[in-house]
Amino acid sequence: NAGVMQNPRHLVRRRGQEARLRCSPMKGHSHVYWYRQLPEEGLKFMVYLQKENIIDESGMPKERFSAEFPKEGPSILRIQQVVRGDSAAYFCASARTGATGDTQYFGPGTRLTVL
Amino acid sequence: QKEVEQDPGPLSVPEGAIVSLNCTYSNSAFQYFMWYRQYSRKGPELLMYTYSSGNKEDGRFTAQVDKSSKYISLFIRDSQPSDSATYLCAMSVFSQGGADGLTFGKGTHLIIQP
Repeated sequence: NAGVMQNPRHLVRRRGQEARLRCSPMKGHSHVYWYRQLPEEGLKFMVYLQKENIIDESGMPKERFSAEFPKEGPSILRIQQVVRGDSAAYFCASARTGATGDTQYFGPGTRLTVL
Repeated sequence: QKEVEQDPGPLSVPEGAIVSLNCTYSNSAFQYFMWYRQYSRKGPELLMYTYSSGNKEDGRFTAQVDKSSKYISLFIRDSQPSDSATYLCAMSVFSQGGADGLTFGKGTHLIIQP
C-alpha cells in the first residue's frame, strides 16, 4: 500500500516564476492537508481540502498561494510569482475520514528553492 | 507566546539511555496529541497518538499527557543510534466540524551516541 506521494521532490524556480506542487494521498484517503516547513521552523498548517472543496485555508498566505483537490487526480499547491521567502519544504498529509482526531500521514515533501 | 513550545536541542545522549522529550502548550482546546519522528530531509512519521491524559506505551516508546499542566512527553527506552532524528510534537483541537490542521512544535533534534 503506497504511502502519500509528492512530486517533484525538489523544485528550483527563479523569482517571479510559478511553482506547482503535487500530492497524491494514500489509497482510501480523501482528505488532504498542506504544511510548510521553513528552515529552523516547525511545520505550519496551510490548507485542508477534500475532493473539490477547500475546508480550511486559514494558514494560507492571502496572495499568490492557491490549492485545489479535483475530483480526479492529485491535489495541487500553486505558488505564483515566487519570492525567495517561499523557499521551504512543503509537506502534504492525508487522512481517511477527516473526523476529529483522525490520523494524518505525511508524504516525503517537496523542497522548493527560489533563486 | 507560541501555542506549542518545544526545546529544539540538540539533545545528545549515550546509546541505551532513556530519552525524555517534552512539549508545553497554551491552548486548552487541544485534545489530541501526537509525536512524529522526522529524519533529515524526510517527511514526518507518526510514532504515537493519544487523546486522554495518562500514559500510552508502544514498544520502546511511551507517550504521556497531562492536560491539567498542558504538558506532554515522549519517553524512549533503550535508545539506539537509529533513533537519532528530530521529534515533533503535534496537537489538534476537538472540533465538531471535523479534523483541523495540526499545530506543531519546532521539533527537538535528538542524537544518540554509539
